[in-house]
Parts: sequence; C-alpha cells; structure tokens
Amino acid sequence: QVQLVESGGGVVQPGRSLRLSCTASGLTFSSHGMHWVRQAPGKGLEWVAVISHDGSDKQYADSVKGRFTISRDNSKNTLYLQMDSLRIEDTAIYYCAKMDCGPDCPLDYWGQGTLATVSP
Amino acid sequence: DIVMTQSPLSLPVTLGQPASISCRSSQSPVHSDGTTYLHWFQQRPGQSPRRLINKISNRDAGVPDRFSGSGSGTDFTLKISRVEAEDVGVYYCMQGTHWPWTFGQGTKVEIK
Repeated sequence: QVQLVESGGGVVQPGRSLRLSCTASGLTFSSHGMHWVRQAPGKGLEWVAVISHDGSDKQYADSVKGRFTISRDNSKNTLYLQMDSLRIEDTAIYYCAKMDCGPDCPLDYWGQGTLATVSP
Repeated sequence: DIVMTQSPLSLPVTLGQPASISCRSSQSPVHSDGTTYLHWFQQRPGQSPRRLINKISNRDAGVPDRFSGSGSGTDFTLKISRVEAEDVGVYYCMQGTHWPWTFGQGTKVEIK
C-alpha cells in the first residue's frame, strides 16, 4: 500500500532554517507530482508548493515564495522542503501529498504530517 | 490569487439529516482545457485530509454515495444526503486550476 512518511520537523528560532523530508513507498514515485500542504495549529489547510514528477517545474504559495524550496530525489523516493528565513507564522503541521488530477484523478495520498514550530 | 469562500463555517446537523456546504471562488476556476479543478476534502479529527470529490462532482474511490458535489462558474456545493457519525470533521473546497492552488477556510460539521 502507498505510504508517505514525513520527517524533519522540530523547534527552530525565527530566521533559521529547517529541511523537511517525505519518503514514499508503494508507488512509482518518479511518475507523480508531489505537494506540500500545511496547517497552522487549530487552523485550516494552506497549499504550500508543488513539484513536477521530474523536478523540472515548481510552484509556490505567495507566503513562502523566495524562502522555501521544494525538491525531490527520485532515486531515493524522497520529497524535500527546504525552509529558510523562517517566521513565527510558518509554525504548522506540514503534510506531503500526492493529489494529481488531470483527465483521471487517482486516489490521493497524504502523509501523517510533521510539526515545525518557529519560536523565539 | 483565487480566494475560496465557504459557508457556513460551522454546521451542526442531526444524524440522518442532510447537510450542505457552499463554496464560492473569487474567479472562475475553469482551466484552459475546459475542466474545472474544484475539489472537496474531508479532514476527520486527528487525521490527515483526504479528497472526497474531484472536478466538481466525481466521487473519489471508496467515498460513500451520500456525498455529492455540484456547481458551475464560481458557485459550488457539497451535499451529504444523510449525515452519519463518521462524517464529523472539517470540509474544505480547493481550486486546483490556477497557481497558487487555494483552499477555502473550512466548514466544521458536528452532530447536534
């Protein structure tokens, strides 16, 4: 079965960096675009970034553009989110997700999330 | 960016009764390919989200047929024909047409 497992969350000070990882299994990772979605404590969902199946195309939310970088290593079935210049408002659970939808919309998959806390 | 506005934000419902959630987009989420990538997600308490409805009205695999989606233009609706206890949670609409993708604020469904 498909599994997405995030890691790398923790507590960091404002202005510092954190790198999140998402390791996939049970799917042909290199065939799918992958997303990061976050959820601040007690708040709603916010789409963060997407990367195409081969890493050639990336898109970001305005709130993270220029500070966050999405990348992937298909040889390791792993998705990354490099978060620099962190702000208190970046505190959230970060989910990786496969939710491609084109002519067909196969089942979406989400990880369990990893909590990143930005605190002085 | 496209703003997605849901109403109501809180929806107390009686078991077995219907429920309806509205989602309005600030711009048309119709793609240049003619498809409207408007989806609905469910997030049960303590769980990760999952998609229920894709492209306005298509139920994702394994989704009970009491869930249905409809709409066009900038107005969309998620309906639950008869609410069950397992439907408690927060429901989000999301447009996946224009970058950046955007979610609605969420509608919390609870049992009266």
